Amino acid sequence: ETGVTQTPRHLVMGMTNKKSLKCEQHLGHNAMYWYKQSAKKPLELMFVYSLEERVENNSVPSRFSPECPNSSHLFLHLHTLQPEDSALYLCASSQDRGHGYTFGSGTRLTVV
Amino acid sequence: KQEVTQIPAALSVPEGENLVLNCSFTDSAIYNLQWFRQDPGKGLTSLLLIQSSQREQTSGRLNASLDKSSGRSTLYIAASQPGDSATYLCAVFRGGADGLTFGKGTHLIIQP
Repeated sequence: ETGVTQTPRHLVMGMTNKKSLKCEQHLGHNAMYWYKQSAKKPLELMFVYSLEERVENNSVPSRFSPECPNSSHLFLHLHTLQPEDSALYLCASSQDRGHGYTFGSGTRLTVV
Repeated sequence: KQEVTQIPAALSVPEGENLVLNCSFTDSAIYNLQWFRQDPGKGLTSLLLIQSSQREQTSGRLNASLDKSSGRSTLYIAASQPGDSATYLCAVFRGGADGLTFGKGTHLIIQP
């Protein structure tokens, strides 16, 4: 257990489904992140929340919707996904933007 | 746009060898550089963090160097062991609203 907990570990969903990924940290960190890891591509930063405020990332499709209700929890709401969205979704937290990153174990998402 | 390249993409060596993993980045205006380890199906574990003002960091059998002006970092692993088998990821942080920018990683196999 790394201190950042992600659920579920695995998720299979149809293209018309709506699901949510959950991330939780009790490390007292101020920033939380969603990253996407696809085969043969670098980890891609999707969203950053710093002190519960979202930093916009205009390159992420609107079918991905983040939510940060408090400093310990982060969600990624998914709807009408495409097969190419299948990937490992990693949540991370850090004390500040550049230091002390802790990653969760990820959610392996398969879109069918 | 910052790009991070890791060479080699994969490496297989016998146990006991010393080895070097390479990382290069296109924009030298970084705040810090980090090396992570990722085991199959798992999240990332932070290994070493080098601030932009530092030249190297050491932790046990690992030594990471940074040449910021040339946009290069190396991770040196001494006396490699089968337990070192994993994917090693290099990431840079530019500061501000950015998260980390990652390379694709080096997949390392240490043969017993």
